[in-house]
Amino acid sequence: AQKVTQAQTEISVVEKEDVTLDCVYETRDTTYYLFWYKQPPSGELVFLIRRNSFDEQNEISGRYSWNFQKSTSSFNFTITASQVVDSAVYFCALRSGNTNAGKSTFGDGTTLTVKP
Amino acid sequence: GAGVSQTPSNKVTEKGKYVELRCDPISGHTALYWYRQSLGQGPEFLIYFQGTGAADDSGLPNDRFFAVRPEGSVSTLKIQRTERGDSAVYLCASSANREDYGYTFGSGTRLTVV
Repeated sequence: AQKVTQAQTEISVVEKEDVTLDCVYETRDTTYYLFWYKQPPSGELVFLIRRNSFDEQNEISGRYSWNFQKSTSSFNFTITASQVVDSAVYFCALRSGNTNAGKSTFGDGTTLTVKP
Repeated sequence: GAGVSQTPSNKVTEKGKYVELRCDPISGHTALYWYRQSLGQGPEFLIYFQGTGAADDSGLPNDRFFAVRPEGSVSTLKIQRTERGDSAVYLCASSANREDYGYTFGSGTRLTVV
């Protein structure tokens, strides 16, 4: 069975602070994919990034960066110089790399509040 | 269309009634997913279509839930004899036919069973 744990239920920071959202996953698959989604107050989930299990290279995109470590089964997400518009619920998700394995397993999310 | 469209956006129904929730995916996306999201939780998988067929329906909670996608595009999630515990936001998502692609989600249908 697959499992995604986001231990931080809520995080509150002041604008311009850096913040890291933790994600720990469990899977027996050797090939899998990890994702981060953002759900702003408007409600619609937005895909941010995916990472393949065979590619541990970390990625930076603007103020966002992701740290994937297979040794600790973690896929953490850092926002640098946070802004009020970053306030949202962030979900980490895991999908098997097996053929026809379409479904993703989501964590319960981390609610990030960025105060001005 | 440009995005995933779900209708209605809100649905209030009485316990025991039948409801249909509609999803219109992004044109050309062969994969379509239904998820259910309760307050304070992440999306919970219900069913996944590849084209017209249900490739995985292991998440449907019981036989009151059924979904179809007859022409490989629009999908309808059907719930019979609704119960108060069915109240949630029902999310539809579509993606290109590759397991490493992220989903594009619709805005969801908020179902309230009274």
